[in-house]
Amino acid sequence: AQTVTQSQPEMSVQEAETVTLSCTYDTSESDYYLFWYKQPPSRQMILVIRQEAYKQQNATENRFSVNFQKAAKSFSLKISDSQLGDAAMYFCAYQDRNQGGKLIFGQGTELSVKP
Amino acid sequence: GAGVSQSPSNKVTEKGKDVELRCDPISGHTALYWYRQSLGQGLEFLIYFQGNSAPDKSGLPSDRFSAERTGGSVSTLTIQRTQQEDSAVYLCASSPTHGYNSPLHFGNGTRLTVT
Repeated sequence: AQTVTQSQPEMSVQEAETVTLSCTYDTSESDYYLFWYKQPPSRQMILVIRQEAYKQQNATENRFSVNFQKAAKSFSLKISDSQLGDAAMYFCAYQDRNQGGKLIFGQGTELSVKP
Repeated sequence: GAGVSQSPSNKVTEKGKDVELRCDPISGHTALYWYRQSLGQGLEFLIYFQGNSAPDKSGLPSDRFSAERTGGSVSTLTIQRTQQEDSAVYLCASSPTHGYNSPLHFGNGTRLTVT
């Protein structure tokens, strides 16, 4: 079965600095998607960035970028120029075509941003 | 446009009572998902509806949990004879199409507390 692991329960970063959140996953599939979701105190899950496994180029969305290492099954999220509004829970998630749209989530990393 | 709407936002119930949680997906979205998020945990898949197909109930933790989706739109998650371990945030999500690379849009969840 596919699993997603986030080994950092909590992370902290100084405002304007860069932070990297780690995620590893396990799958025997070759075609899949990976996602990072942000969950602020409002509880709503917000899509931050996604990566298709067949694309070698790492996805980037403004200050957010990923380091996708397919062979190592690693999918880390880098947040540059951290802002106070980035403070939230971050979840890594996996999706493959055999499971329809169902996402498998990691345990989450709580990010705090210090002014 | 309107996002995914869940009600109630918070629910406190006594152990042994039945509860119903409601989800209004984004209009036109054919797929609907329920997830459970226990304190400090990731999101646990419960059930998935896609159009008129039979739902994927593989994540329901016990036969006390059930869900239905009427008219391909609104969904209700019912928990019978609630237990304290059912306390969690229940998140609903919808997506425009079935499956792969169809981004999930989440509601703000219902926080259920069983006393």
